[in-house]
Amino acid sequence: GAVVSQHPSWVICKSGTSVKIECRSLDFQATTMFWYRQFPKQSLMLMATSNEGSKATYEQGVEKDKFLINHASLTLSTLTVTSAHPEDSSFYICSASASGGWAFFGQGTRLTVV
Amino acid sequence: GQQLNQSPQSMFIQEGEDVSMNCTSSSIFNTWLWYKQDPGEGPVLLIALYKAGELTSNGRLTAQFGITRKDSFLNISASIPSDVGIYFCAGQKAGGTSYGKLTFGQGTILTVHP
Repeated sequence: GAVVSQHPSWVICKSGTSVKIECRSLDFQATTMFWYRQFPKQSLMLMATSNEGSKATYEQGVEKDKFLINHASLTLSTLTVTSAHPEDSSFYICSASASGGWAFFGQGTRLTVV
Repeated sequence: GQQLNQSPQSMFIQEGEDVSMNCTSSSIFNTWLWYKQDPGEGPVLLIALYKAGELTSNGRLTAQFGITRKDSFLNISASIPSDVGIYFCAGQKAGGTSYGKLTFGQGTILTVHP
């Protein structure tokens, strides 16, 4: 299957700082990328959908100014958690989809805000 | 956001036993998917179901797409210790911008005792 890579796998940051997470499709062009958040022992909750070259569509309740998403190319989307706080600590997972195809998941990024 | 109702929440079984879990929804999905997630990793696709009533196998795994398009089950036969993990069902609605956009169940935590 297709390969989607996230970087970093884990990150620890201080409260108030910003953190950028990258999601790359390594062997296909991803017209759409999805960002999910997963709290311990809970399911994956969709945060936003991003299409290459256009603004991301955020799910209800997700702050677009706090979770900045950029999808500047067909192989890269980034999620920036701005002014991070301890309650933002979570497992962030991206998935990438080619036009009309399945979405493949990255390995996830564990964010800890201290 | 909408979630699929997945049960049971957790299962503790002996190696060699069969396992069954299911998902239901109040709305119709055009595709049902079953994923397995290991700790600290992204979900990995196990089985995809495309047609109502479809029964699909992948090794020791068998899944069915309910005739009403509102439910699905996953069976694991002759469980082994490496089956341990969290299993998620996910639904996808019809095409267009819905490709790759998934709604997840709450997950079933599977523990297999040797």
